[in-house]
Amino acid sequence: GQQVMQIPQYQHVQEGEDFTTYCNSSTTLSNIQWYKQRPGGHPVFLIQLVKSGEVKKQKRLTFQFGEAKKNSSLHITATQTTDVGTYFCPLLASGSARQLTFGSGTQLTVLP
Amino acid sequence: NAGVTQTPKFQVLKTGQSMTLQCAQDMNHEYMSWYRQDPGMGLRLIHYSVGAGITDQGEVPNGYNVSRSTTEDFPLRLLSAAPSQTSVYFCASRKSGTTNYGYTFGSGTRLTVV
Repeated sequence: GQQVMQIPQYQHVQEGEDFTTYCNSSTTLSNIQWYKQRPGGHPVFLIQLVKSGEVKKQKRLTFQFGEAKKNSSLHITATQTTDVGTYFCPLLASGSARQLTFGSGTQLTVLP
Repeated sequence: NAGVTQTPKFQVLKTGQSMTLQCAQDMNHEYMSWYRQDPGMGLRLIHYSVGAGITDQGEVPNGYNVSRSTTEDFPLRLLSAAPSQTSVYFCASRKSGTTNYGYTFGSGTRLTVV
């Protein structure tokens, strides 16, 4: 079945360093969503990408959807301690319900 | 606009007890879902609903029941609690009719079954 693999599973960075997490799918995706979950918190929707090659920015966060719509990346420039958390790119089910299937995400630790 | 409200925030149950986790949203979202998250893992879908009166099973439905009598509320019932159901439970909702909306999650219910 359809799967989305996310790498790396864990990442430790020094504050101020850049960080990138990647999502790779075995099949073409219609779109992709990104969520962030802070430790002890709940997932928060960050963005949705729909178009091939799409790039969207939110302050220090840059989201990219691959040309073949099989991969996506989230890049954080100059990480801050507020970026700590787990970043997910869940698979969106086909059909109208569009349920999410979560992987284990990328857990980011930012060292001060 | 409160978003998605889950109650209670914490609960301890004894094995075999039943209880209902409440979820309410005030955004008139058609789609609602229940997820569980075990330590260090992603979220797994338990049940979901695409509108009042319509529910369906997700990945891990056993031991749980849901109903959706109104658009606003989507309670999750644990029929006979087991230690394996110790987890954090999240309710989420989103608007239908477009793929541009992400899910809004509640703050979760942390359940311990002893």
